[in-house]
Amino acid sequence: QSALTQPPSASGSPGQSVTISCTGTSSDVGGYNYVSWYQQHPGKAPKLMIYEVSKRPSGVPDRFSGSKSGNTASLTVSGLQAEDEADYYCSSYAGSTLFGGGTKLTVL
Amino acid sequence: QLQLQESGPGLVKPSETLSLTCTVSGGSISSSSYYWGWIRQPPGKGLEWIGSIYYSGSTYYNPSLKSRVTISVDTSKNQFSLKLSSVTAADTAVYYCARRGVGAPYAFDIWGQGTMVTVSS
Repeated sequence: QSALTQPPSASGSPGQSVTISCTGTSSDVGGYNYVSWYQQHPGKAPKLMIYEVSKRPSGVPDRFSGSKSGNTASLTVSGLQAEDEADYYCSSYAGSTLFGGGTKLTVL
Repeated sequence: QLQLQESGPGLVKPSETLSLTCTVSGGSISSSSYYWGWIRQPPGKGLEWIGSIYYSGSTYYNPSLKSRVTISVDTSKNQFSLKLSSVTAADTAVYYCARRGVGAPYAFDIWGQGTMVTVSS
């Protein structure tokens, strides 16, 4: 099982929207609605932002949204804020748990 | 408020066994609603799932690490543990313990702060 594929970097200006993709296969992303997204600030533990493709845990701003089409899942951050600058990781169930390589989001 | 805390040696010699414990506080590890997992992150790199355990003792391991990994649970101490044998420098990483829902949320929703383990002689 290979890691999920994410772009290494993404960026946007404050107030803009940015979308991060996560590409897998029909055996993981495409086969299950168990895609999750994590935000990680430097030196901190990851924080769950989206689970089961598009659900937000309590306390996560609705600026964060998730979706999936075929073997590709996406995380969209709307109304970018400075504190959104972080690394973002996708994850999918595939019999076991796979993570993506991570995307560094820069707020310009 | 449920919290997880990793503990264990920060330095392990090559070929030896890495041993870590995760202590769960503010809730019971014996809940039927959750799995308990280990995830690691080498310096400057991404996350890698190591394995997960249910309170009953059922385990699920990353196929790439399965031959070297043992995860166990001690419900009397509200702890679960990781053993990784025959370590090399490639096993140097921050090791996190985390909780994952059996149902919703089917994701790691609570994480420990992480503990850095260096493999070096």
